[in-house]
Amino acid sequence: QVQLVESGGGLVKPGGSLRLSCTASGFTFSDYYLSWIRQAPGKGLEWVSGISSSSSYTNYADSVKGRFTISRDNAKNSLYLQMNTLRAEDTAVYYCARRTASDYYYTMDVWGQGTTVTVSS
Amino acid sequence: DIQMTQSPSSLSASVGDRVTITCRASQSISSYFNWYQQKAGKAPKVLIYAASSLQSGVPSRFSGSGSGTDFTLTISSLQPEDFATYYCQQSYSTPYTFGQGTKLEIK
Repeated sequence: QVQLVESGGGLVKPGGSLRLSCTASGFTFSDYYLSWIRQAPGKGLEWVSGISSSSSYTNYADSVKGRFTISRDNAKNSLYLQMNTLRAEDTAVYYCARRTASDYYYTMDVWGQGTTVTVSS
Repeated sequence: DIQMTQSPSSLSASVGDRVTITCRASQSISSYFNWYQQKAGKAPKVLIYAASSLQSGVPSRFSGSGSGTDFTLTISSLQPEDFATYYCQQSYSTPYTFGQGTKLEIK
């Protein structure tokens, strides 16, 4: 079935780095724009970053620009988020999500189960 | 960035009630607008896309309306499984911002 599975979360010290992965199955990975969305403990959803199907363009929230890098490997059906210079406020569950389009109206129709990142000394 | 403002932030209601949640965008976003439902410990699930289109598999008691800056999610008759947190989102431009959420609780 159509599925996204995140991995790579964990405990990291402030200033440290972490790389998240998201592996897809059940659909043609290379056809879709993908996003990372996070949710801090007890808080709402924050869209973090997105990447086009062929990696030709990427987008970032201001809160992570210059520190996080999104990438993908279509041959491996995998999406990545390299997170550098981590801060306590980056502590969150990180979801990957597929963006789909219906008549150019975009929605995130498939989500992974999330991976938890904790930034603490 | 486009700001999304949801109201109310929390809501108590009973099974069978009709419930309405609203969301306002800081600028016109046409119908580039979605509603999501999130249950505790789970990933969000899309309910409504393009402001008023029901996602496949979502019960017909959910409906969405609006265009431009003002949007509404209506649940016509609350069921026990509908108690959750609801988020609006604009998909007009990145960053694809979300509202702060509406927690729907049992009265």
